[in-house]
Amino acid sequence: GAGVSQSPRYKVAKRGQDVALRCDPISGHVSLFWYQQALGQGPEFLTYFQNEAQLDKSGLPSDRFFAERPEGSVSTLKIQRTQQEDSAVYLCASSFGPILNQPQHFGDGTRLSIL
Amino acid sequence: QQPVQSPQAVILREGEDAVINCSSSKALYSVHWYRQKHGEAPVFLMILLKGGEQKGHEKISASFNEKKQQSSLYLTASQLSYSGTYFCGTGRTNAGGTSYGKLTFGQGTILTVHP
Repeated sequence: GAGVSQSPRYKVAKRGQDVALRCDPISGHVSLFWYQQALGQGPEFLTYFQNEAQLDKSGLPSDRFFAERPEGSVSTLKIQRTQQEDSAVYLCASSFGPILNQPQHFGDGTRLSIL
Repeated sequence: QQPVQSPQAVILREGEDAVINCSSSKALYSVHWYRQKHGEAPVFLMILLKGGEQKGHEKISASFNEKKQQSSLYLTASQLSYSGTYFCGTGRTNAGGTSYGKLTFGQGTILTVHP
């Protein structure tokens, strides 16, 4: 596709369940980012991949959060034993290169609601 | 540390101008500007790199004052389509002087344009 694709668009889970969120970046984009966006706030960095290597995971809130990009394209963000505070929109972005002069292209996000 | 945006919200009539400011307490390498409409992906507007450059895109332009660690987004002759939340994302180099595309976003400025 032409843009960054995320699925599912909406996810409702009960507290304690595991969830998996998928991101399909723009073809050929080296860099992939995950952000968390709370209601009325700006996106907050979670983790960064350059190809298949996870170079920065400093923004992951706890060890319940895990991300992978095994073949350097599609990425999955997994949240184990979900808590209510995990409710947010999870945005994925990709960029052509790894450096700061490249625009990041965002997907529409996955809105996660934990009951 | 999160950059600070001002104002938090602005209401305009079509054809009026607006300025949105973004300030950081840390030295910056780049500033990225995005616009996000409700329930949609943030859309890239422009990137400014250190060097105090100014860029323009139709009736939207921006400046970056590296010394003051500030950027401003200028919207002239606003249109209804300009409504949305504007975010600045700031990028820094690490201690080794290299950088990658990790952005720290401000809390957003809500712009509403009325007919």
